[in-house]
Amino acid sequence: DGGITQSPKYLFRKEGQNVTLSCEQNLNHDAMYWYRQDPGQGLRLIYYSQIVNDFQKGDIAEGYSVSREKKESFPLTVTSAQKNPTAFYLCATGPWGETQYFGPGTRLLVL
Amino acid sequence: GQQLNQSPQSMFIQEGEDVSMNCTSSSIFNTWLWYKQDPGEGPVLLIALYKAGELTSNGRLTAQFGITRKDSFLNISASIPSDVGIYFCAGQGYGGSQGNLIFGKGTKLSVKP
Repeated sequence: DGGITQSPKYLFRKEGQNVTLSCEQNLNHDAMYWYRQDPGQGLRLIYYSQIVNDFQKGDIAEGYSVSREKKESFPLTVTSAQKNPTAFYLCATGPWGETQYFGPGTRLLVL
Repeated sequence: GQQLNQSPQSMFIQEGEDVSMNCTSSSIFNTWLWYKQDPGEGPVLLIALYKAGELTSNGRLTAQFGITRKDSFLNISASIPSDVGIYFCAGQGYGGSQGNLIFGKGTKLSVKP
C-alpha cells in the first residue's frame, strides 16, 4: 500500500514533556516537510529536508527538532520549549522543487 | 517575504452553483498548486500548474496560472455537497528555498442554509 503515513492520529502531551510525531513514506521522494496548522489558518513550515541526512529550519522551527536518517522517515519532536504546541501537524513529501503530497495529519493536544 | 492573498475567505454554495476563488502573490511564482482539505484530514492535491497562461481541468474543477505569474484562479462548476471543505492555493517561487511552498490561508466552502 503506497503513500504517506503519520502516526498517531491523536497525541496528548503533558507539560514539560517531549513528544515525537512519526512520518513515513514509500513513494521514494527525496524531500520531506513538516507543517503546523492552527484553526482557520494556512500552513506554516516547521522544518524541511531535501535529502537524507540533511534538514533545514522553516519559518517556525523554534521548539521543534527533526532527524532524517532514512529516506523513508522524517520524525518531528515537539520539545518542552514549544509553549503552544496544540495544533494539527502535517507531513508532506515530494520530489525536491516540485509538487508536495500530504499525509493524513496528527492532532496534538496538551493535557 | 513572499505573501499570498487568497479570496474569498469563505463562501456559501447552493448545489448546482458555480464557484470561483483566486490567489494573488506579491512576487512571481513558477508553480501554482490547488489543494482541498476536509475536516481532520490532510490536504489533497487537486490541480498543479507549471506554465504562465496554463489552463487545466480536473473534472468539474478548472484552474489557471495567470499570465503575470502572480495569480491563479480555481473554478468549480455545478457544485455538489461533497465540494464542501477548505481550498488552499500554494505557490512555489524562485530563490534559495525554491522547493518550498507558500500557502494561502484558504477559502472555506459551506452549504447555503
